[in-house]
Amino acid sequence: DAKTTQPPSMDCAEGRAANLPCNHSTISGNEYVYWYRQIHSQGPQYIIHGLKNNETNEMASLIITEDRKSSTLILPHATLRDTAVYYCIVYSGNTGKLIFGQGTTLQVKP
Amino acid sequence: EPEVTQTPSHQVTQMGQEVILRCVPISNHLYFYWYRQILGQKVEFLVSFYNNEISEKSEIFDDQFSVERPDGSNFTLKIRSTKLEDSAMYFCASSEDPPPGPQYFGPGTRLLVL
Repeated sequence: DAKTTQPPSMDCAEGRAANLPCNHSTISGNEYVYWYRQIHSQGPQYIIHGLKNNETNEMASLIITEDRKSSTLILPHATLRDTAVYYCIVYSGNTGKLIFGQGTTLQVKP
Repeated sequence: EPEVTQTPSHQVTQMGQEVILRCVPISNHLYFYWYRQILGQKVEFLVSFYNNEISEKSEIFDDQFSVERPDGSNFTLKIRSTKLEDSAMYFCASSEDPPPGPQYFGPGTRLLVL
């Protein structure tokens, strides 16, 4: 089963930053934190991943706490097209299996 | 930007029939995966494939399922005798790097078994 805990839903105003939290208190040292999103029934879309350090790419920023027990995905300027289910996944090199939980449904509102 | 493609986008079949779902992974990727998502449920891992053999499979991936890379570009999932409960979205994914490298997903094939 998924080793992460996410709120089931969140709202965000268009143009504002969306901050999506994730708890992964049992994460192991070799496990990465990955974020994907799924818009409607489309294929999951890779967003970002990290091990220890904070990461940023053109889509989002990932902030991982020092103890690695939690993280936050930040969409800096949410648009209506960012409305989706966001999945936080811990993923190790021991297996190629991504384990998806229920995720957080982010609703971006005008 | 390179993408994973899947065909067909929709497939309707009769129970007991064989179906083949096709995927074209991103061209320089070497690691391939199939997942499925039953309507309203979680995305579930089925199988991973590397170097022309299965690396890992889930309990769902029983003898009715098989995967193949018939040529240098396609990756297929075959269901030999479909059941009603096989109705789902099937997603192919590929990765350039071994786990835990990022997996990139295709748009999916919606399979409906009647």
